[in-house]
Amino acid sequence: SQTIHQWPATLVQPVGSPLSLECTVEGTSNPNLYWYRQAAGRGLQLLFYSVGIGQISSEVPQNLSASRPQDRQFILSSKKLLLSDSGFYLCAWSVRLAGEQFFGPGTRLTVL
Amino acid sequence: TQLLEQSPQFLSIQEGENLTVYCNSSSVFSSLQWYRQEPGEGPVLLVTVVTGGEVKKLKRLTFQFGDARKDSSLHITAAQPGDTGLYLCAGGVGGSQGNLIFGKGTKLSVKP
Repeated sequence: SQTIHQWPATLVQPVGSPLSLECTVEGTSNPNLYWYRQAAGRGLQLLFYSVGIGQISSEVPQNLSASRPQDRQFILSSKKLLLSDSGFYLCAWSVRLAGEQFFGPGTRLTVL
Repeated sequence: TQLLEQSPQFLSIQEGENLTVYCNSSSVFSSLQWYRQEPGEGPVLLVTVVTGGEVKKLKRLTFQFGDARKDSSLHITAAQPGDTGLYLCAGGVGGSQGNLIFGKGTKLSVKP
């Protein structure tokens, strides 16, 4: 069966510090991968998605970047965090781009 | 721009009551999914509907896809505290392009 991991589960970082969040998927090959941000328990904002190694599409211009160094690994990064980067970050995978998505447990990021 | 509007945004009811939440759009979707998210966790897929007029049941939950595939509803019978959470609908446009469009969710609280 497929599983998706995210770490860390929680993170508190000062403004201006770098960020690296990691997501890995097990039990499937060539998944589509996604990074979302969710504010205050509401809707999901799609940040990046990837259909393959090294292929990244950005949905919203911002202070963040994403990379996919391996088939089942997706990394969200920032060189300098802003207060507005605080939120709940979710990684997800799917077989098809517009198909069912399966989410990781999320990372709660607080920027102080 | 395709949008999914969910209503109501918030719903607080007593255990044993019935409720219906709605997901509406002016756009046609090839499929529509419902997810439930508990605080501090990632969304979990409940159901996918693909055919106009389709009705699916999952224990006390009944999901319906509109005939024109522009809207959907989720009906819960005899709600229980364990039903508490954020209910998200997401529409897929099909094909190899595009991603899921997520609504902002209905936050349900079922009090014992």
